[in-house]
Amino acid sequence: DAEITQSPRHKITETGRQVTLACHQTWNHNNMFWYRQDLGHGLRLIHYSYGVHDTNKGEVSDGYSVSRSNTEDLPLTLESAASSQTSVYFCASSESSSRQFFGPGTRLTVL
Amino acid sequence: AQSVTQLGSHVSVSEGALVLLRCNYSSSVPPYLFWYVQYPNQGLQLLLKYTTGATLVKGINGFEAEFKKSETSFHLTKPSAHMSDAAEYFCAVRIARELSFGAGTTVTVRA
Repeated sequence: DAEITQSPRHKITETGRQVTLACHQTWNHNNMFWYRQDLGHGLRLIHYSYGVHDTNKGEVSDGYSVSRSNTEDLPLTLESAASSQTSVYFCASSESSSRQFFGPGTRLTVL
Repeated sequence: AQSVTQLGSHVSVSEGALVLLRCNYSSSVPPYLFWYVQYPNQGLQLLLKYTTGATLVKGINGFEAEFKKSETSFHLTKPSAHMSDAAEYFCAVRIARELSFGAGTTVTVRA
């Protein structure tokens, strides 16, 4: 069955480290998204992509980057992790329909 | 720009009682509206969505929501709460291919 997966599911790192969170979908969707979920803020859009080699900044993109070298993957990189980036991160994908499919989430702790 | 406001970050109901979760949105164009549910330690699942047509939308698990353009609202209801409804609920509005989420409402169900 088609699905969307995220790895790792949990990560603890130190401030200043580079961290990459993986997102992989097997639906062949063109659109992929990264959100962070924080208490009191709901989900906020970090970056999104509408296709291979396309990337766009979302509401809270500072300190994050993404790359889209193929349809299936949209890795999210924290160049220099900060404690403010401790959060739960969700990846999502969609096609031309209005529904987004979400991954299970990655819980990141930055000490 | 669009935004979503969920009134009440926590709602507690008795088993068998009505569940009412409030959502108001702002949008300069006709919106697509969604309710997602998140169970503990899981990703987001789509409960229901409104795109066009009938303003009363039925979703999974006995939930329904009504789009009221004059009130810019999309409140979620369920006539009789079940213990399994304990979760966090997110309202979202979609413009183009981007989703904006409310801050979420946590529902607890009392026996």
